[in-house]
Amino acid sequence: GQQVMQIPQYQHVQEGEDFTTYCNSSTTLSNIQWYKQRPGGHPVFLIQLVKSGEVKKQKRLTFQFGEAKKNSSLHITATQTTDVGTYFCAGTNAGNMLTFGGGTRLMVKP
Amino acid sequence: EAQVTQNPRYLITVTGKKLTVTCSQNMNHEYMSWYRQDPGLGLRQIYYSMNVEVTDKGDVPEGYKVSRKEKRNFPLILESPSPNQTSLYFCASSAGTKLWGANVLTFGAGSRLTVL
Repeated sequence: GQQVMQIPQYQHVQEGEDFTTYCNSSTTLSNIQWYKQRPGGHPVFLIQLVKSGEVKKQKRLTFQFGEAKKNSSLHITATQTTDVGTYFCAGTNAGNMLTFGGGTRLMVKP
Repeated sequence: EAQVTQNPRYLITVTGKKLTVTCSQNMNHEYMSWYRQDPGLGLRQIYYSMNVEVTDKGDVPEGYKVSRKEKRNFPLILESPSPNQTSLYFCASSAGTKLWGANVLTFGAGSRLTVL
């Protein structure tokens, strides 16, 4: 079945440093979504990418969808303590099945 | 307020004692799903439902049952809970029957279950 791998599993950064999490699928995706889960909270939708090579920005967050639609990345510029949490990618395959990656837990030292 | 409501939020039970985690959404969503979250394993789908009376197995359905008798409700049933079902459970819903295009998941607050 479809597998979505996400790396790294954990990341400690100093406040102000950049952060990137990567998502790779074993199959071509129809779209990819990103969610953020704050500590003790539930996943909350951030963004969806649909087109090959698509890049979207939300303030300090930049999301990319690979040309082959099999990988994606989330980059945070100049992290803040409010960025703490676990970031999940979730890919939809041609069979409309949504599969989540394992998540990257971001910790920010003030 | 548009939301997905799960109950109970926390539960400690013993092996073999049947329990039900309720899930209700007020957004008239057709798609509903249950996930369990375990450290290092991310979110794994247990069961999902495309519409009333239509349910399908996800990646980890063993030991669980679901029903979808009404559009708004999607309870998760553990007939005989075991310690390996200790986990954080999330219910989620989405508009439409397809999870692509503009459809994204709205999650409930989560239910932390401990089976002794």
